[in-house]
Amino acid sequence: EPEVTQTPSHQVTQMGQEVILRCVPISNHLYFYWYRQILGQKVEFLVSFYNNEISEKSEIFDDQFSVERPDGSNFTLKIRSTKLEDSAMYFCASRGWDEKLFFGSGTQLSVL
Amino acid sequence: KNEVEQSPQNLTAQEGEFITINCSYSVGISALHWLQQHPGGGIVSLFMLSSGKKKHGRLIATINIQEKHSSLHITASHPRDSAVYICAVYSSYNTDKLIFGTGTRLQVFP
Repeated sequence: EPEVTQTPSHQVTQMGQEVILRCVPISNHLYFYWYRQILGQKVEFLVSFYNNEISEKSEIFDDQFSVERPDGSNFTLKIRSTKLEDSAMYFCASRGWDEKLFFGSGTQLSVL
Repeated sequence: KNEVEQSPQNLTAQEGEFITINCSYSVGISALHWLQQHPGGGIVSLFMLSSGKKKHGRLIATINIQEKHSSLHITASHPRDSAVYICAVYSSYNTDKLIFGTGTRLQVFP
């Protein structure tokens, strides 16, 4: 079965540093998403991306966050200046027209 | 109050038992997902429903739009079904924003 690939699986960074989380969605998919899950809490929507632009974003997705699809295969989430509260598991997901959602295995971000 | 509520929060069962997990939501929705989150953290979509009932193997999902309620049933449960099961909805207004429930942790013992 096709899969969404996320790298790295773990990222440790210092507070205030920039991080880029990378995702390779399924190749013929058109809709791309980032979610996050703080330890012990529910999964939260961050942003959706379609046709090379953000289609929806949550209140969490402030000016410190950005997304990009730089080369037609990768889909990245950048956090400009990380805060302690950004520590979470970040999931990328993608879907095609049939609306079945495929998730990556996640990147565990730890901000020290 | 959460827009998506699940019950129970935790569930233990013996292998072979019939399992039901419930999801209630307070917003108008266009569709509902049932997701499975494995102990390692990975998430798999089991079903997407906008009406009626769907079945896949030992899993059955139903939804009642009027009552704003969905159920996930597992027949003949097995230890490998042990996971967190998450209900998530697309609201009618923000059609691409999934709103997640807090999940139901299921443990099936042999």
